[in-house]
Amino acid sequence: AQTVTQSQPEMSVQEAETVTLSCTYDTSENNYYLFWYKQPPSRQMILVIRQEAYKQQNATENRFSVNFQKAAKSFSLKISDSQLGDTAMYFCALPRAAGNKLTFGGGTRVLVKP
Amino acid sequence: GAVVSQHPSRVICKSGTSVKIECRSLDFQATTMFWYRQFPKQSLMLMATSNEGSKATYEQGVEKDKFLINHASLTLSTLTVTSAHPEDSSFYICSALRGIRTDTQYFGPGTRLTVL
Repeated sequence: AQTVTQSQPEMSVQEAETVTLSCTYDTSENNYYLFWYKQPPSRQMILVIRQEAYKQQNATENRFSVNFQKAAKSFSLKISDSQLGDTAMYFCALPRAAGNKLTFGGGTRVLVKP
Repeated sequence: GAVVSQHPSRVICKSGTSVKIECRSLDFQATTMFWYRQFPKQSLMLMATSNEGSKATYEQGVEKDKFLINHASLTLSTLTVTSAHPEDSSFYICSALRGIRTDTQYFGPGTRLTVL
């Protein structure tokens, strides 16, 4: 069975600073995708970034980047130059091999302070 | 874009009544949609997978007669909570897979259901 673990329930960061969220996972697949989703207070789930496991290069989307360590099964998210609008729950997710069903981590609540 | 809508955004109903929630993919066709339930301060729990033109598949522990899913077209899936009770009160979220050979789910804004 797949598992996704986010070990940090809450994190706070000053505006303009950098914060890193950790995610570890377990899967028997060799080719897969990993996702970070953001859920702001509106509760709309928003795709932040996607990483393909066969790509060695870490994905980057503007101020968001990942550190993907396949051997260690680690997939951390770095938010640079944090903005107040980054305040949200962040979920790491891994699709199951069959059917693209997502396994979510427990989430990390990020609070950006002015 | 990849926009998914849900309607209604909020619904309050009396115990024993049925409630229908619609999930639409607005700018793409979705052969597969998913329905999730989210309790306060918790992660998303997958309830079922909705496949266009076929029966939905339910996760273990989810009552299929309680949560009826219909995926009648490539842009619409509906979740009907039948004979709702207060314990069914929750936040329900749908998502859609864009394309056939794809991996990324796009989420609707969610529906808050309150059963009195």
